[in-house]
Amino acid sequence: AQKITQTQPGMFVQEKEAVTLDCTYDTSDQSYGLFWYKQPSSGEMIFLIYQGSYDEQNATEGRYSLNFQKARKSANLVISASQLGDSAMYFCAMREYNFNKFYFGSGTKLNVKP
Amino acid sequence: GEEVAQTPKHLVRGEGQKAKLYCAPIKGHSYVFWYQQVLKNEFKFLISFQNENVFDETGMPKERFSAKCLPNSPCSLEIQATKLEDSAVYFCASSQQGGDEKLFFGSGTQLSVL
Repeated sequence: AQKITQTQPGMFVQEKEAVTLDCTYDTSDQSYGLFWYKQPSSGEMIFLIYQGSYDEQNATEGRYSLNFQKARKSANLVISASQLGDSAMYFCAMREYNFNKFYFGSGTKLNVKP
Repeated sequence: GEEVAQTPKHLVRGEGQKAKLYCAPIKGHSYVFWYQQVLKNEFKFLISFQNENVFDETGMPKERFSAKCLPNSPCSLEIQATKLEDSAVYFCASSQQGGDEKLFFGSGTQLSVL
């Protein structure tokens, strides 16, 4: 079974609107972390946001928030007020603490339209 | 250093030649991970180290790939007898000890096998 599933290969959003990128995960570990990374066309991997499995509140970092629904095993990224510079690939990732393994989803390519 | 340093940025090899990639993790980080990314798609896990010890090598095609992390030296990933399908960006990432620690990525090495 896939550990991280991103079902949206590509998304479009209008500038200044909000967008949600979906991510579901599969683990039997009680302790894990969920991460989102951005990869612009230049190729570098930029960390955006982190959510721990025991965190009760959704994580927020500026315009990024993580909608964490533990029972549904989902960790969706919400980007508010999209900007042209948000156009990039976005990867959801999970770290299983017990085995110290990181798993990545297949990514979602976000295009922000002016 | 405060960033993961990967060299070289680009590497071109003829099929059958050897390729060697280097990675200097952030000072103080205990874990080093190597990933292969083909065409900006999924991150394929290759190997991880805890300090100089191999932690997990389940992703390594062992017949041609090898990796080391020796004390006081950059980590290395070596591919003997490269094949066309080895063409990819190879990312090195490091993290601190601790389950909630994110991966810090290097800028990657683009390997082109001709």
